[in-house]
Amino acid sequence: GAVVSQHPSRVICKSGTSVKIECRSLDFQATTMFWYRQFPKQSLMLMATSNEGSKATYEQGVEKDKFLINHASLTLSTLTVTSAHPEDSSFYICSAPGLAGSTDTQYFGPGTRLTVL
Amino acid sequence: AQSVTQLDSQVPVFEEAPVELRCNYSSSVSVYLFWYVQYPNQGLQLLLKYLSGSTLVKGINGFEAEFNKSQTSFHLRKPSVHISDTAEYFCAILTGGGNKLTFGTGTQLKVEL
Repeated sequence: GAVVSQHPSRVICKSGTSVKIECRSLDFQATTMFWYRQFPKQSLMLMATSNEGSKATYEQGVEKDKFLINHASLTLSTLTVTSAHPEDSSFYICSAPGLAGSTDTQYFGPGTRLTVL
Repeated sequence: AQSVTQLDSQVPVFEEAPVELRCNYSSSVSVYLFWYVQYPNQGLQLLLKYLSGSTLVKGINGFEAEFNKSQTSFHLRKPSVHISDTAEYFCAILTGGGNKLTFGTGTQLKVEL
């Protein structure tokens, strides 16, 4: 089946620094990828839709200047948390549709645990 | 707007017992329904999905779910659980023509000996 990877799996950073998280589709191309965040004991909340070759679409309430998304190729999307603060500590998960133009099946990455000290 | 409700935040069950995890949804248009499983510190894995056709859907690991349009439900069931089924289970909805999954709040299934 389709595989989505994320790097790093875990990152600890100091407050005020920026952190980049990569999401890769390993055996398929993804013109669209989705970024979620998940707080402890809570559900996944969609943050933004990453579109290859164009600007990301952010959900209401998500600061686009704080969560920079770049989808530079058909297999890579990156999420950069700028000037991270402790409240940004969360589990970040990306996903990609398995078939181009199809969204009925999404494949999820293993997630990235961000801890901001 | 669509929404998903998982009323049970935690479900404890003994090994080899049957289990049902409840999911109800709200949508004014046609829907696709999904169940995902999440093991600790991991991403989500698709258990099963309903797109159309037979309302009884069979998934991986012996799970199945039944789409009930009149009750707007998509409950997940397994006749005999195993310790390894201990995980968080999420119900999700995708409305026809849309591309965004809406997740329920999750149900923690804890299987005990």
